[in-house]
Amino acid sequence: NAGVTQTPKFQVLKTGQSMTLQCAQDMNHNSMYWYRQDPGMGLRLIYYSASEGTTDKGEVPNGYNVSRLNKREFSLRLESAAPSQTSVYFCAGTSSGALETQYFGPGTRLLVL
Amino acid sequence: KNEVEQSPQNLTAQEGEFITINCSYSVGISALHWLQQHPGGGIVSLFMLSSGKKKHGRLIATINIQEKHSSLHITASHPRDSAVYICAVRIRGNEKLTFGTGTRLTIIP
Repeated sequence: NAGVTQTPKFQVLKTGQSMTLQCAQDMNHNSMYWYRQDPGMGLRLIYYSASEGTTDKGEVPNGYNVSRLNKREFSLRLESAAPSQTSVYFCAGTSSGALETQYFGPGTRLLVL
Repeated sequence: KNEVEQSPQNLTAQEGEFITINCSYSVGISALHWLQQHPGGGIVSLFMLSSGKKKHGRLIATINIQEKHSSLHITASHPRDSAVYICAVRIRGNEKLTFGTGTRLTIIP
């Protein structure tokens, strides 16, 4: 049981390059989330998916796209990276119900030059 | 003004001290979460509260819905408790969490 996994752990991009951050969970979560974390700021929601086949914008969606390929996988794509997207990205899944818990992946540290 | 405010932003204490971290919010919520982020970056869920109090080992979390306030207490603090503690709320009727900026706790041996 791996929980929530993310790849890659670290990436350096040049401005304008594209990349996809991968997230997978084996905890049967319906809801999955992508956050970014920047110094001095709380985690901010980029996109989320309440169930397979559905996605919704969060607080800071500009410059990103997502795909909920199936129940397990939720990917985040940067089509044309910008230095403002330098951040640490976390994927998370939620178990629902009375014992609602957020499970986070280990994070992806992205540097855009 | 942020919907979720934590205090203090930074806290340094001696090993063994009783620690209190506060979280205030300004909206109606259905749940409040306390999370822990270690220096390596990983984020772990500590508690989910919708009312009252929860305890796990040396950690105690309380919430006062009327006052829109929650506290996280650590008894007999230890250097391994050094981390950033994050409060997050699920706004009523919303799928999403709103996060505070975190409290950085350092416990000195």
